[in-house]
Amino acid sequence: DIQMTQSPSSLSASVGDRVTITCRASQSISNYFSWYQHKPGKAPKLLIYAASSLQSGVPSRFSGSGSGTDFTLTISSLQPEDFGTYYCQQSFSTPFTFGPGTKVDI
Amino acid sequence: QVQLQESGPGLVKPSQTLSLTCTVSGGSISSGGYYWSWIRQHPGKGLEWIGYIYNSGTTYYNPSLKSRLSTSIDTSKNQFSLKLSSVTAADTAVYYCARNNRSGWFDPWGQGTLVTVSS
Repeated sequence: DIQMTQSPSSLSASVGDRVTITCRASQSISNYFSWYQHKPGKAPKLLIYAASSLQSGVPSRFSGSGSGTDFTLTISSLQPEDFGTYYCQQSFSTPFTFGPGTKVDI
Repeated sequence: QVQLQESGPGLVKPSQTLSLTCTVSGGSISSGGYYWSWIRQHPGKGLEWIGYIYNSGTTYYNPSLKSRLSTSIDTSKNQFSLKLSSVTAADTAVYYCARNNRSGWFDPWGQGTLVTVSS
């Protein structure tokens, strides 16, 4: 199985801050990679797919980059509604696997 | 837009079979190009992909669960289902259903349903 790691595991930031979360795959996954936001009691939400494509309806302050093994999610100006846990996911090969998550506190 | 909703018992006894159904609304489960997945999250842990089923009935399961898992799809009811046999406390989790495309990203997801395995 392809292992996904994320850093940091948690962070606390202020409104307006630029926030960066990184994810690393245990082997090259090209751009078969996505990011999700998950809030307690809610359905996880797709933010970024194909490593850098913004899902429809997702604010433009979210962006993704990377290819191969190293990926980054950036929130350019953190907003109060951005709290939650962010997960990365690879879909290069089955079983699909997720990173352990990064909890973002405002 | 497409919405998914999980349903099923919230409490299952050890050694019994966990059964869940996901109802799809706002779109047809028979739409080509989409796969219908189950994902779970153990308490305080990350996400684990369980497996998917295509509208033809083709399935792919996570090898870690394959021996205990079966899924089905009912296109007439726009539903797909999961059965996990011989459950233990380790199967206690929030179970999500989700749609994924051929490239493997999941959208949308259901709200999730907590299943507790306990006597």
